[in-house]
Amino acid sequence: KQEVTQIPAALSVPEGENLVLNCSFTDSAIYNLQWFRQDPGKGLTSLLLIQSSQREQTSGRLNASLDKSSGRSTLYIAASQPGDSATYLCAVYNQGGKLIFGQGTELSVKP
Amino acid sequence: GAGVSQSPRYKVAKRGQDVALRCDPISGHVSLFWYQQALGQGPEFLTYFQNEAQLDKSGLPSDRFFAERPEGSVSTLKIQRTQQEDSAVYLCASSLGGVVSYEQYFGPGTRLTVT
Repeated sequence: KQEVTQIPAALSVPEGENLVLNCSFTDSAIYNLQWFRQDPGKGLTSLLLIQSSQREQTSGRLNASLDKSSGRSTLYIAASQPGDSATYLCAVYNQGGKLIFGQGTELSVKP
Repeated sequence: GAGVSQSPRYKVAKRGQDVALRCDPISGHVSLFWYQQALGQGPEFLTYFQNEAQLDKSGLPSDRFFAERPEGSVSTLKIQRTQQEDSAVYLCASSLGGVVSYEQYFGPGTRLTVT
């Protein structure tokens, strides 16, 4: 059974700092991996989708990497801003189409 | 519409009441998914439709939960005799294709509170 774990559960950093969020999964037989952002009381905003054949994806200050063999993905946020404060969720696309989510990392960026 | 829409956005139900949650997927999207997100947790899969066929309902927590998509577009998630543990955000997602690699697009969710 696929399990997705995100570390740390919460993170507080000063504005301007670069940071890394970690995601690990137990079954390497995944199709894609996706990172989402969720603001309090809101739905999910897609940040980056990495297909199984890719190693990384970049969008602006965000860079996500995928290492299927080790069952790991990282989300790198450069030059963090207070507006980046949110919960970040990692999810893998498993056989059958369903997404398996981690529990999220709650990020707080202090001005 | 441009994205996935859900209604109502908020629902308060007294324990024992039945509720119906609606999802309008992106036009033309073949696949539709329902997820349940408890407070402080990541979303968990409930059920999956490909067109009107319900191909996976392994995540439905009990027989009080029922989902349908009769014409292959709009879907309804029904919860009978609601319990307090049903309080959660219910998220709907749709994707273009019928294969696993297609990206899922999420609606804003329905926050259900059972009192």
